[in-house]
Amino acid sequence: QVQLQESGPGLVKPSETLSLTCTVSGASISSYYWSWIRQPPGEGLEWIGYIYYSGSTNYNPSLKSRVTMSTDTSKNQFSLKLSSVTAADTAVYYCARITGGYLGYWGQGILVTVSS
Amino acid sequence: EIVMTQSPATLSVSPGERATLSCRATQSVSSNLAWYQQKPGQAPRLLIYGASTRATGIPARFSGSGSGTEFTLTISSLQSEDFAVYYCQQYNNWPWTFGQGTKVEIK
Repeated sequence: QVQLQESGPGLVKPSETLSLTCTVSGASISSYYWSWIRQPPGEGLEWIGYIYYSGSTNYNPSLKSRVTMSTDTSKNQFSLKLSSVTAADTAVYYCARITGGYLGYWGQGILVTVSS
Repeated sequence: EIVMTQSPATLSVSPGERATLSCRATQSVSSNLAWYQQKPGQAPRLLIYGASTRATGIPARFSGSGSGTEFTLTISSLQSEDFAVYYCQQYNNWPWTFGQGTKVEIK
């Protein structure tokens, strides 16, 4: 069974870089595309971007200048970095597996709050 | 960017009744549309992809239809566990985008 688990700091200071990791079990990250999605409290879903194990990426243009995604195939993990965060980046961050453009497997999500 | 608009924002339905949720795209997304269900404190769960194909393990009371710019999710007979927020998502054009959600609540 495919499982994803997000990890990282739950509190980040304004202007700093948010860093999250998604650990995948039950599937090799070398076989699929992987994604990050976020959801501000009480709001809808926003696609941040996706990555293939080879390192090929595609980022949402609205966040592209601040986003970096990477993979670590030896650990079966992929990661997200979002720089220069503000309060508007406060959200639950989900990692998920892409199949043909839709998301069949999701992590449980991690709340990241941007505050000093 | 393709904007997905869902209606209504909130749908009040009695258990056992039929629920019809709509999703409209600002330009054609062909059949590249998915539906998700999200309960409080949980991650979204994939219900439908390809506009009308149920994901593994999804009950037959959930059905999707439409193509192009107009899509519908129908829940034929609402069960207690179906009260949740539902999102549509297009994956025809990057950035893939979600609708703002329809909350299905108990009447």
